[in-house]
Amino acid sequence: EDKVVQSPLSLVVHEGDTVTLNCSYEVTNFRSLLWYKQEKKAPTFLFMLTSSGIEKKSGRLSSILDKKELFSILNITATQTGDSAVYLCAVVNTGTASKLTFGTGTRLQVTL
Amino acid sequence: DAGITQSPRYKITETGRQVTLMCHQTWSHSYMFWYRQDLGHGLRLIYYSAAADITDKGEVPDGYVVSRSKTENFPLTLESATRSQTSVYFCASSTQGTSPLHFGNGTRLTVT
Repeated sequence: EDKVVQSPLSLVVHEGDTVTLNCSYEVTNFRSLLWYKQEKKAPTFLFMLTSSGIEKKSGRLSSILDKKELFSILNITATQTGDSAVYLCAVVNTGTASKLTFGTGTRLQVTL
Repeated sequence: DAGITQSPRYKITETGRQVTLMCHQTWSHSYMFWYRQDLGHGLRLIYYSAAADITDKGEVPDGYVVSRSKTENFPLTLESATRSQTSVYFCASSTQGTSPLHFGNGTRLTVT
């Protein structure tokens, strides 16, 4: 059974801080790892990672995958209150037709 | 506007009643999914569909029924609702098996 563990469970930081969110996984046949941001409603897609060591970047957010050690990190620099959300990590197994296995998420709160 | 729409947004029902949650997407995506989100469990897959008239079970299918007679619609039916089915339900779609999912805004279901 595929498994995704995210840490920390929750995090409170001050605006301007840099944060690192962790995602470790166990999957029988790895295809990809995805990061989503969930505010009050639907999760919104951030990154999809398939290759080890290649950083994906979008503005102040970046993510990298380590397929040897089976983990990924999501970095957010110069955090803003709008970054407050639950960040979800998910993995896709090659044999499961795009079915995602999600972690329970990291709740990030950015305070002024 | 193109997108994925769920209805209703909120639903309260009694134990034993049948209830159907609707999902409609305008992208003509092949794949559609139903997830439930509960504290401590994250998002868990209930059912998915690779195309019209093709459906398959996910991680937690018991007590649920789906159909996909048209590509754009993927209703989820709780045949006899139980309190354990109180949850937030998300519908999602994707173009291919390897593409990121796009989520609807969710239906909050309470079974009393």
